This record gives sequence, C-alpha cells and structure tokens, in this order.
Amino acid sequence: GAVVSQHPSRVICKSGTSVKIECRSLDFQATTMFWYRQFPKKSLMLMATSNEGSKATYEQGVEKDKFLINHASLTLSTLTVTSAHPEDSSFYICSARGLAGPYEQYFGPGTRLTVT
Amino acid sequence: GNSVTQMEGPVTLSEEAFLTINCTYTATGYPSLFWYVQYPGEGLQLLLKATKADDKGSNKGFEATYRKETTSFHLEKGSVQVSDSAVYFCALVYNQGGKLIFGQGTELSVKP
Repeated sequence: GAVVSQHPSRVICKSGTSVKIECRSLDFQATTMFWYRQFPKKSLMLMATSNEGSKATYEQGVEKDKFLINHASLTLSTLTVTSAHPEDSSFYICSARGLAGPYEQYFGPGTRLTVT
Repeated sequence: GNSVTQMEGPVTLSEEAFLTINCTYTATGYPSLFWYVQYPGEGLQLLLKATKADDKGSNKGFEATYRKETTSFHLEKGSVQVSDSAVYFCALVYNQGGKLIFGQGTELSVKP
C-alpha cells in the first residue's frame, strides 16, 4: 500500500512553454501533498505544501506564479511550471501524506524536467 | 531551528562490509526520525523510522536507534550488498502535520 505515482517520468520542453506534472496517491487519500525539487547530488528542497481544496503554501524564495500547484482532489495534485527556462531543469519529486500515520510521507518516483 | 546533519559521502565499501552512516539532529522537542533511501533516478523510499526515544527502527537488515541523549539516529547494516548502493537521507518531522527536514544525504557505493 501507500503508492504514489508521478507523470510524466521525464519531460523535455522548450524554453517559454509550460509543463504540468501530476502526482497521484493510488491507494490512499492524501490530505496533504508536498512538492520538492532536487538538484544533482543534493538534498531535497521543499517547494510547497498543498492541502486538498485549499491554496498551496509556498516556501520562502519559491515563486508561486511560476510554480502553480493545484490539489483538486484527495488523490491528485499537479505542479505546473509556467514559462519554463533552462534553470528550471531539475528533478521534481512529490510526496503525499494520508490520514493514517500522520508523520509519514510517501514519495513519488520523480519527474526529470529538461528545458531546452 | 530544527536541522539534521549527516556524515559526508561518498562512502565506498566492499561487499559484506559493516556500514555506519552517522546522523545527528537538532530539535527543540521530540521529533520522529526517519531514514529514506534513493536509488539512482528514482524517488525516495522509506527505509525505517522511530517515533520516540530508544525506539529501534529496522528493515532489510538496516537498523537505527533513536538516541535522545546524543540526539543521534545512526544507520547501520552488518553486511552490505552491491544492491545497497544508493543515497541515504536522514530526516525528522517535529510535530504532527509538520514538514520533513532532511539531511544532505550520504551516497553509498558498494563494490563487489
């Protein structure tokens, strides 16, 4: 149990375009989802926390107009990188937390974004 | 503030060697502690956890004991395998519903 999926696993887009990444909890209801960014050989940087049905809470220094997060249902959150630039290229990972085991987060497999 | 410090990598070991990856934390209360593992190109998987002092988390031959007196949660395995090669992250969550705070990660490479 507690499986989180992400789609796509890899995406290449041109500079100036937008790209959407989906995060789904497959077998549990995720009241809270988290979006992280990871640079090569670095730790995870929390970008934002999203609760179902409410606006996401962004970490300091993360542009909310650039990284749009929607948590429309208890099993789906999306991250849209708007007007992407090469510096947005990174590994994006989501995690989800359900009602049971409130301390645990279950992570998706990640999405590799490359902006050309 | 709350923070997690891990030993720097990369750690390179021969197969069947003993592994220790040190992790210490700073927290004002009594956090829950976790070890996550990340295999190349993948997301994180929960390896083990401990929610209170003196708890021992264990999974797949890995163990870690929550030591309040030394604010540590060191990861150990008696005999590593090549398949254990990955990046290991120590993390804490301070309160219910709180955010995970990660250490910087320790890369482990196990040679045959």
